[in-house]
Amino acid sequence: DSGVTQTPKHLITATGQRVTLRCSPRSGDLSVYWYQQSLDQGLQFLIQYYNGEERAKGNILERFSAQQFPDLHSELNLSSLELGDSALYFCASSVTPGGLSGENIQYFGAGTRLSVL
Amino acid sequence: LAKTTQPISMDSYEGQEVNITCSHNNIATNDYITWYQQFPSQGPRFIIQGYKTKVTNEVASLFIPADRKSSTLSLPRVSLSDTAVYYCLVGDPRRNTNAGKSTFGDGTTLTVKP
Repeated sequence: DSGVTQTPKHLITATGQRVTLRCSPRSGDLSVYWYQQSLDQGLQFLIQYYNGEERAKGNILERFSAQQFPDLHSELNLSSLELGDSALYFCASSVTPGGLSGENIQYFGAGTRLSVL
Repeated sequence: LAKTTQPISMDSYEGQEVNITCSHNNIATNDYITWYQQFPSQGPRFIIQGYKTKVTNEVASLFIPADRKSSTLSLPRVSLSDTAVYYCLVGDPRRNTNAGKSTFGDGTTLTVKP
């Protein structure tokens, strides 16, 4: 158990809908990362928050947004869903915001499997 | 951006030692080397991290030569439950953000047979 909690575990919805994925980081971790994993594109970094502020942006679509709340939990909002958004969505957390050297170890949650029908 | 090259797949048998080598010729001076393990439909799990020489923990060892242009993850006496994908990361994975490509690279799929 990594200490990172993601809910829900599974989500089934229809195209055009909007969903919210939730993540609670490990106790004491200030940084939260969101990743998308699909069969064809592997693990894609989407966005990172550190202590409530956006820290880094990856390949996040404009239809997707995220935020980190004062209690440090984070939510990833996916809207106008398309079939291609079906994937595993992982949240990870770390103590520090991380730097280019990569000494920052990330701890991943179990993921949310999103199926868009 | 430090590109890494690791074998796509490896096979082993229970009880054997497995060594997975990762090449990273253009590693930057400050870059750390980190390995993650991922089982199907689970999030990646941190295994080990190092900067130079040898690092050992309860699950693996990491060997890094003096020039740091490669590294080897060593898994002693593997079992069936070690069947997974192993990712070698150099520096911050966020630097690998590139549409259509995996931030963690393709990894090495290790299959342990009985």
